[in-house]
Parts: sequence; C-alpha cells; structure tokens
Amino acid sequence: GNSVTQMEGPVTLSEEAFLTINCTYTATGYPSLFWYVQYPGEGLQLLLKATKADDKGSNKGFEATYRKETTSFHLEKGSVQVSDSAVYFCALRDQGAQKLVFGQGTRLTINP
Amino acid sequence: ETGVTQTPRHLVMGMTNKKSLKCEQHLGHNAMYWYKQSAKKPLELMFVYSLEERVENNSVPSRFSPECPNSSHLFLHLHTLQPEDSALYLCASSQEPNRDVGSPLHFGNGTRLTVT
Repeated sequence: GNSVTQMEGPVTLSEEAFLTINCTYTATGYPSLFWYVQYPGEGLQLLLKATKADDKGSNKGFEATYRKETTSFHLEKGSVQVSDSAVYFCALRDQGAQKLVFGQGTRLTINP
Repeated sequence: ETGVTQTPRHLVMGMTNKKSLKCEQHLGHNAMYWYKQSAKKPLELMFVYSLEERVENNSVPSRFSPECPNSSHLFLHLHTLQPEDSALYLCASSQEPNRDVGSPLHFGNGTRLTVT
C-alpha cells in the first residue's frame, strides 16, 4: 500500500539556520505530493505541492522537489525564522484516489 | 479564515452523551473528509464523501456516524464514546480528485474533543 515516511522529530534549530526535513514515499502509481504545516491550535494548511516527477513546489521560502528516482520529496528552507515553528506533514495522493496519506509529522522549533 | 469552518472548537462530553460536530466549507468543493488526530499517532482518515456520497469508511466504530446533507456541510454524530476517542477531529474539503489529481485538502481548525 501507499505510505509516507518522514524524519523523526523534534527538530530544533537556531534562527537563520538551513532546514531540511526528509520525506520518502511508497506508492503504486504516480502520486501527487504535498507538504502541510500545522501551527499550534490550528488545522493543517497546504504549504506546497508537486504533481509530477521533477516538479518543484515552493512557498514562503520553502521548497521541495519531486524525485521519482529516489521516491523523495524533502522540504528545505535556506533561512528559518521563529515563526516557522510548527509541525510539518508530508503527504501523497495516488492517481484517482480519494484519500491523502500522511506521514507522522515532524515538529520544528526555531529558537531566536 | 480557512474557508472551512468547524464548530464547536472545543467539546467535553461524557460517555453517555450524544453530540454532533459540524463542518461547513465555502470553497465550492465537492469532496469532504473527517480525520482524527491523536497525540503521537499519524493522522487517521475516518470518512470521505464525494459528491455527497460516502466513498470511504476506514473501519470506524459505529459510535461515530457521519452525515453529508449537501456538498457544503458535513456532520459527525457522536454517541457512547470512550475516553480513547479524545482527540482533535479535523474536517477537510477538496475538489473531487478524479477531476483534479493535484487538488489539495483544505482543513478547518478542528474540534478538540475530550471524553470524560
């Protein structure tokens, strides 16, 4: 079946550090890939997405590239801010599937 | 403003109570979802409605009963819950995936449910 594996958290960084959160997936077809962010007390918000191999999604300084050869969709940001502290979820949706399959989430804390 | 509104934000109920969670979306979507988020567990999909028909039910206990009267509204009726049902219940909506494979889910802020 389809699944998503994210790097274990929590991750703690200093402001302006470089961020990578690893995400790998297994899927039977050609999925669309997503990163969601959840701030305290809120629901999940779409951060970025990519729908085919080699696509790069980007938003708010975050980027992720759909790598079919390594079945990965790692999230990166060049310089994190305290306001980026949140839980980040990687997810996939297979072609024609209703459900979004989520990773377990990675809690990120940025210290000033 | 997320476009998906859930009420109430917080709910405390006893094991013998009956209550309902409400979700409303203002995005013109035609698929709606209930997810359960528990501490230290991955998000669990509970129910999916597409074009107002239930298309997925992930072995959810019968004490949870969904209702989708139209494409903008989704309810989760609760009765005789257990303490382990305490969690954040998230509603989401999207365009029907067969029409747009990259359509993301848009989430509400959730209902924090505590069963005592």
